[in-house]
Amino acid sequence: DVKVTQSSRYLVKRTGEKVFLECVQDMDHENMFWYRQDPGLGLRLIYFSYDVKMKEKGDIPEGYSVSREKKERFSLILESASTNQTSMYLCASSPPRGSSSGANVLTFGAGSRLTVL
Amino acid sequence: AQSVSQHNHHVILSEAASLELGCNYSYGGTVNLFWYVQYPGQHLQLLLKYFSGDPLVKGIKGFEAEFIKSKFSFNLRKPSVQWSDTAEYFCAVILYNFNKFYFGSGTKLNVKP
Repeated sequence: DVKVTQSSRYLVKRTGEKVFLECVQDMDHENMFWYRQDPGLGLRLIYFSYDVKMKEKGDIPEGYSVSREKKERFSLILESASTNQTSMYLCASSPPRGSSSGANVLTFGAGSRLTVL
Repeated sequence: AQSVSQHNHHVILSEAASLELGCNYSYGGTVNLFWYVQYPGQHLQLLLKYFSGDPLVKGIKGFEAEFIKSKFSFNLRKPSVQWSDTAEYFCAVILYNFNKFYFGSGTKLNVKP
């Protein structure tokens, strides 16, 4: 089974701090995604990456950046955390289009709950 | 704007009741459709998916969903819910030639024993 591992389950940071959220997947997936999950808003895409060093903005990229230096690792960075970034952050991965099985199926990590004070 | 709508935000049912959760999307092209489920304290996981072929798809734990192209809908159903179905359910869509998924806002299902 694909595993998507998010390094931190719970974090508490102060306004203005730089925050790194790490995500690692172990099945050689090309595509990786960062979402934030808020009650009543569902999942909103922050950034995604379809290859090493490639990234594309999602629907709510403001205040975030990402890094994908290795295929298995996709990091989300909050350069200067703000209270409105308090949320659950979900990392996901999927195989590329055209894969024989599992194509277009997202596998999620357990989530990182970030609280910004 | 492209969107996925889930009309029921919170549903409360008794065990053995039938379930139908609505999902509509606004894309005109070819789509792949999904339902994901998040049980309390657990990862989001795939419940079922539709790529092509028979519009009635079956998933895990007795769930099924029907794709009605003319209505842009992909409603989730289960004939008889159990307490263990208490969870949040998300509908998702991906456009055929793109990597970007769109999720609905989720429906919280609470099944009373």
